[in-house]
Amino acid sequence: ETGVTQSPTHLIKTRGQQVTLRCSSQSGHNTVSWYQQALGQGPQFIFQYYREEENGRGNFPPRFSGLQFPNYSSELNVNALELDDSALYLCASSWPGQGAYNEQFFGPGTRLTVL
Amino acid sequence: AQTVTQSQPEMSVQEAETVTLSCTYDTSESNYYLFWYKQPPSRQMILVIRQEAYKQQNATENRFSVNFQKAAKSFSLKISDSQLGDTAMYFCAFIQGAQKLVFGQGTRLTINP
Repeated sequence: ETGVTQSPTHLIKTRGQQVTLRCSSQSGHNTVSWYQQALGQGPQFIFQYYREEENGRGNFPPRFSGLQFPNYSSELNVNALELDDSALYLCASSWPGQGAYNEQFFGPGTRLTVL
Repeated sequence: AQTVTQSQPEMSVQEAETVTLSCTYDTSESNYYLFWYKQPPSRQMILVIRQEAYKQQNATENRFSVNFQKAAKSFSLKISDSQLGDTAMYFCAFIQGAQKLVFGQGTRLTINP
């Protein structure tokens, strides 16, 4: 069983540029959640995708957008990068089952630095 | 709003000692789940232990156990016989429903030889 993978591992961009981060979900998982983790902080929920549709969004501006593909992999796009966007971006996949809990399995993250 | 608070930014203990990490949370829901995650320098977020709010019995996973006090909205993690490999950031987290995990600010735990 393949775990959650993310690419690239590290990325350096300049202010105003656009960036795309990628995530491959764990085999059999159709739900992907994205989190932003600033240095020394806990992760903050950006949004979740379920079967290619956005299924919940955190307190992030519209310049943070996403996609989920038929194979359930996902992209996070950030436009007009700002210095405060520098962070570790974590992707987590899950399989919605019965009940109120769906364990999320995390990837290793992409470290984005905005200069 | 759902919030999670970890009041200990850093902790340090000697190998083989027992350490307890604190966490409080705020929610108006009655059905939810609580977690402790470990994030070593490799950055991979690893689930350590989970607790279902409707279960009164405290969860245990080998050397890791929790003290869940629902009325006080407290969820502490106890690590027994600590090992060097336990050195990491530890995050308390909460989820209600299938969507977002809400994380605390984290506690940096160092196990000294």
